[in-house]
Amino acid sequence: GDSVTQKEGLVTLTEGLPVMLNCTYQTIYSNAFLFWYVHYLNESPRLLLKSSTDNKRTEHQGFHATLHKSSSSFHLQKSSAQLSDSALYYCALRNSGGSNAKLTFGKGTKLSVKS
Amino acid sequence: AQTIHQWPVAEIKAVGSPLSLGCTIKGKSSPNLYWYWQATGGTLQQLFYSITVGQVESVVQLNLSASRPKDDQFILSTEKLLLSHSGFYLCAWSPLGDSQNTLYFGAGTRLSVL
Repeated sequence: GDSVTQKEGLVTLTEGLPVMLNCTYQTIYSNAFLFWYVHYLNESPRLLLKSSTDNKRTEHQGFHATLHKSSSSFHLQKSSAQLSDSALYYCALRNSGGSNAKLTFGKGTKLSVKS
Repeated sequence: AQTIHQWPVAEIKAVGSPLSLGCTIKGKSSPNLYWYWQATGGTLQQLFYSITVGQVESVVQLNLSASRPKDDQFILSTEKLLLSHSGFYLCAWSPLGDSQNTLYFGAGTRLSVL
């Protein structure tokens, strides 16, 4: 079946340093949709980025990610971390089309930004 | 604007007791609805989805059941809780016809089974 791997469970950074959260996936489907969801403390998880286009950079709120189908990766990056970026980040893969499409989530990476 | 409300926020229940978690979505007609669950230290797993009133499909068997009694309401329940049911439950919706199935989550319910 499909799987999503987020190797880092916790990433601790100093404010101002670049952010790189890793996400790799496995699927038998060639038309994969990849997502990054962010979960701030005491809020609902919400969509941060999504992509289905190979080698095209997608950006939102200072974060960016590029889907690379050749390496099955969708790493999340930001040039300069802010304290407010501290949250839990999930990478997710959609495995088929239609209303019953199931999202497969990674285990999540907790990003902790310190001053 | 669409709003999603989950209840309760948290529950502490005894093994063997019943459970009912609820979710309502306002401001959107005929949404696709989902229940997700995350065990402590685990990943989010889809439990159920529903595309219309009265129709619910199970994705993962956890001795739980779900129902959609109204277009805007999704209920997760069991008659007998197990210790393994502890975790974080999230309700989510996606717009009808959204081919990418972007999910919009509720705030979640944290369940502790003792």
